[in-house]
Amino acid sequence: QSALTQPASVSGSPGQSITISCTGASSDVGGYNYVSWYQQHPGKAPRLMIYDVSNRPSGVSNRFSGSKSGNTASLTISGLQAEDEADYYCSSYTSSTTVVFGGGTKLTVL
Amino acid sequence: QVQLQESGPGLVKPSETVSLTCAVSGYSISSGYYWGWIRQPPGKGLECIGSFYHSGTTYYNPSLKSRATISVDTSKNQFSLKLSSVTAADTAVYYCARALAGPPRAFDYWGQGTLVTVSS
Repeated sequence: QSALTQPASVSGSPGQSITISCTGASSDVGGYNYVSWYQQHPGKAPRLMIYDVSNRPSGVSNRFSGSKSGNTASLTISGLQAEDEADYYCSSYTSSTTVVFGGGTKLTVL
Repeated sequence: QVQLQESGPGLVKPSETVSLTCAVSGYSISSGYYWGWIRQPPGKGLECIGSFYHSGTTYYNPSLKSRATISVDTSKNQFSLKLSSVTAADTAVYYCARALAGPPRAFDYWGQGTLVTVSS
């Protein structure tokens, strides 16, 4: 299975909105509404931010939102804050009954 | 609060088998959810190794299936990963995590990770 495709980096200023894309195939992103997004700060374990395309776990700010169209999913962070600077990974359930991750996107808050 | 704690040897020689254990507290593995292993090579992205349900259903990443074995000890509320014939490419931080119920599609609780280095 091939990793999902994410941009290597994105950046934005405090208060702005940014969107990170995640492109897969019909056997993963396009075939299931099971896309998730994770935030990972250096040296820390990933944290689940979005699951099932657009659902937020308890405790996650509503500044984080997710969507999907065809084989591409997106994570939008509005009202950027300094603490949002981190690596972000998308993942999807696949037809192989496992999970595939994206390569990760480094978010820089300018 | 669900907590997971990985443990392992830290350093393993090429061609050997590495064994990792994940101790779970705050939730009984037998009560539900899937439980899995994910790894992250230094400076690289995440890779799902596999996951299991307490009833015995187990799923593996096809690229690792022949080398990975996940098992569970419900009496100790812990589960394990054995990865055979390791090479330098298996050097990574290994995380255990709980996956949402239904198909194992998202991991909501994670351990802090344990670094496994493959070197002679």
